[in-house]
Amino acid sequence: DADVTQTPRNRITKTGKRIMLECSQTKGHDRMYWYRQDPGLGLQLIYYSFDVKDINKGEISDGYSVSRQAQAKFSLSLESAIPNQTALYFCATSDFAGYEQFFGPGTRLTVL
Amino acid sequence: DQQVKQNSPSLSVQEGRISILNCDYTNSMFDYFLWYKKYPAEGPTFLISISSIKDKNEDGRFTVFLNKSAKHLSLHIVPSQPGDSAVYFCAATGANSKLTFGKGITLSVRP
Repeated sequence: DADVTQTPRNRITKTGKRIMLECSQTKGHDRMYWYRQDPGLGLQLIYYSFDVKDINKGEISDGYSVSRQAQAKFSLSLESAIPNQTALYFCATSDFAGYEQFFGPGTRLTVL
Repeated sequence: DQQVKQNSPSLSVQEGRISILNCDYTNSMFDYFLWYKKYPAEGPTFLISISSIKDKNEDGRFTVFLNKSAKHLSLHIVPSQPGDSAVYFCAATGANSKLTFGKGITLSVRP
């Protein structure tokens, strides 16, 4: 079984809809991250959490919110989806040292 | 302002030859650098890293070189294999442990 799982893997939604992307990990790591990847733009950090009670904004947090339900679960929400949020979304985890991050397989989100 | 730059979007090399992937950074607070490899429909996977106290780190066919004065690092793959065809991301971090990624470079290894 994969160490970092993301659900759903693909999602098509409409403008204005609320959507939640979920991430679970079995690595026992405290730190979790959400990134988005746009073509030609690499990975940009949306939110990150260093433990269950710690939530921090990344470079591009506007339009997104997160919830750290447990050490193993970190969800990303789009309260009112818009077309320019169409992207590939990745969840990642790391241990205390934080340098090497382990990524999930990604969620491809399309907002029509 | 991009702090980690991968200026070439793509590279094509012949199987068996050397692949050299370049990366530049602007933030002098970065002290740890990583390379990730990404296949289509998969998440990035860690490949190799280097601390700023070193100028070279080797792992099998993969070697990363760091030139701190030039704020430049490179990944060498020798010999290149068709299975190395993927997108490669350079990333950097400092005291805050957050990774800053470059835009990636698509490597194609021709049989």
